[in-house]
Amino acid sequence: ETGVTQTPRHLVMGMTNKKSLKCEQHLGHNAMYWYKQSAKKPLELMFVYNFKEQTENNSVPSRFSPECPNSSHLFLHLHTLQPEDSALYLCASSQVNRGMNTEAFFGQGTRLTVV
Amino acid sequence: GENVEQHPSTLSVQEGDSAVIKCTYSDSASNYFPWYKQELGKRPQLIIDIRSNVGEKKDQRIAVTLNKTAKHFSLHITETQPEDSAVYFCAAENTGNQFYFGTGTSLTVIP
Repeated sequence: ETGVTQTPRHLVMGMTNKKSLKCEQHLGHNAMYWYKQSAKKPLELMFVYNFKEQTENNSVPSRFSPECPNSSHLFLHLHTLQPEDSALYLCASSQVNRGMNTEAFFGQGTRLTVV
Repeated sequence: GENVEQHPSTLSVQEGDSAVIKCTYSDSASNYFPWYKQELGKRPQLIIDIRSNVGEKKDQRIAVTLNKTAKHFSLHITETQPEDSAVYFCAAENTGNQFYFGTGTSLTVIP
């Protein structure tokens, strides 16, 4: 398996459910990201964590709640989602050295369907 | 924040021809520009990148050019092959370590 692992791979949830997406990186990176990928849309940056500290929240609705307990793990907690939140959610990690970034490695993604 | 635009959204070429994808960005502080290839059902993977202190970089059939003054960069694929068919994303990374992606180009190489 590659360095960034996401679970589950597929998730179907109702609008009143609460679920969590998990991401784990085995690359020793210090930055982790959540992206949303919808059909015919760019990869939308949602959250950025550098050294476990959240540095970016791109106007994401509060029904998405990230958690980064350590530099290897990243969660996305979901509650009361809407059908338009159905998408592929991609986690990525990278190594930041003195402000210079390296390539982002992506996980396989979680295909989320909200019914 | 950064705004990255990418053109064209779809591109079809004959096998052996060249393909060019162009991107522009808005944040002059962006200093790292990777290109990702995403095959159907798979994760995006880096194919080439360029930093702001370099104008051009080449890796076999793939090359990227950067014009910092005009804030645009391009991906060039020569001698295209059917396995080059995929969606290609450009990205710009600013000093805040935030990657912003273009809308993607769906490339089809016709055998």
